[in-house]
Amino acid sequence: AQSVAQPEDQVNVAEGNPLTVKCTYSVSGNPYLFWYVQYPNRGLQFLLKYITGDNLVKGSYGFEAEFNKSQTSFHLKKPSALVSDSALYFCAVRWGGGGNKLTFGTGTQLKVEL
Amino acid sequence: GAVVSQHPSWVICKSGTSVKIECRSLDFQATTMFWYRQFPKQSLMLMATSNEGSKATYEQGVEKDKFLINHASLTLSTLTVTSAHPEDSSFYICSASPDRTGEQYFGPGTRLTVT
Repeated sequence: AQSVAQPEDQVNVAEGNPLTVKCTYSVSGNPYLFWYVQYPNRGLQFLLKYITGDNLVKGSYGFEAEFNKSQTSFHLKKPSALVSDSALYFCAVRWGGGGNKLTFGTGTQLKVEL
Repeated sequence: GAVVSQHPSWVICKSGTSVKIECRSLDFQATTMFWYRQFPKQSLMLMATSNEGSKATYEQGVEKDKFLINHASLTLSTLTVTSAHPEDSSFYICSASPDRTGEQYFGPGTRLTVT
């Protein structure tokens, strides 16, 4: 069975500093990996995905993520954080044998402070 | 493109009553729709997957008689919470996909409060 781990419940970073939100996965076969962001009382907004190809994926709002097969990781990064990036971030995995069913991590609350 | 709406955005109902939540794909046909439940500060838990014209597939532990899912058309799925109780209070999110292997596009969610 596939699973996703987000080891940090919360990440705090100062505005202008780089941010990293960690995600590791466990899946048999080739994974499809996703990052979503959720603002309070809202649904999920898609940020980026990795399916195949270049390990560095660029997404919305200046976010990027690096797929690392040997470490089974897919960490989300941004070079310079904004206060408006403060939100709940979810990593999700889908594997080819599971149709398009997603398994979500537990979420990481990102807080960007002035 | 790929917009999914949910209605209502929030609802308060009394214990013992039923409430229906609609999920619509506005600019594409959704072969598959998913229903999730999210408790405060927790992850999304998949409740069921529905394919247009067929019965929904429920995840383990989800009561199919309590959470009725209908996917009658390629743009509409409904979730009915029957005989709601306070423990059913939660944030319900749907997503829709244009095919069985494609992207999921998420609705804005519905906040259900059962008093």
